[in-house]
Amino acid sequence: AQTVTQSQPEMSVQEAETVTLSCTYDTSESDYYLFWYKQPPSRQMILVIRQEAYKQQNATENRFSVNFQKAAKSFSLKISDSQLGDAAMYFCAYSSGSARQLTFGSGTQLTVLP
Amino acid sequence: DAGVTQSPTHLIKTRGQQVTLRCSPKSGHDTVSWYQQALGQGPQFIFQYYEEEERQRGNFPDRFSGHQFPNYSSELNVNALWLGDSALYLCASSPAISSYNEQFFGPGTRLTVL
Repeated sequence: AQTVTQSQPEMSVQEAETVTLSCTYDTSESDYYLFWYKQPPSRQMILVIRQEAYKQQNATENRFSVNFQKAAKSFSLKISDSQLGDAAMYFCAYSSGSARQLTFGSGTQLTVLP
Repeated sequence: DAGVTQSPTHLIKTRGQQVTLRCSPKSGHDTVSWYQQALGQGPQFIFQYYEEEERQRGNFPDRFSGHQFPNYSSELNVNALWLGDSALYLCASSPAISSYNEQFFGPGTRLTVL
């Protein structure tokens, strides 16, 4: 079974600074997708960024980028120029190419300090 | 373009009762997945519906059942409620054919079992 591990229950960052959230996963499959979702206090789960395993290039979405290390099964999220609105719970998630369900990590609570 | 909607927003039940939660997928999506998110944890996959049939199921007992209607909306039913069923229930939708396996989430239904 696939597992996703987020080893940082809480992180904090100063506004305008950069923070990196860690995620590791375990799978025996070669075709899969990785995601970072953000869940603010409103509870709405919002997709931040996605990465296809077959792509070597790291995904980037504006201030959000990932460091995808396939051999190490690592998928970290970097948030640049942090804003107060980035404060939320961040979940790393995995989906195999065949099974459409998402497997989530336990989350990292990010606090942005003014 | 309406996103994923869920009803009700909050629900309070007592042990032993039955509950039905409802979900309408994002326009153009025909696959609906349900997740249970206990307080402080990541979402856990319950099951997924496509073409009115359960396509995949997570590690949840038979007390959890579902249905998908011809208009792609879905219901989650939980029988014989117990305290441990208290959680946020999230519905997510996706198109049957997707390049990324990404899912779009609704705001959730908060279920409290007393």
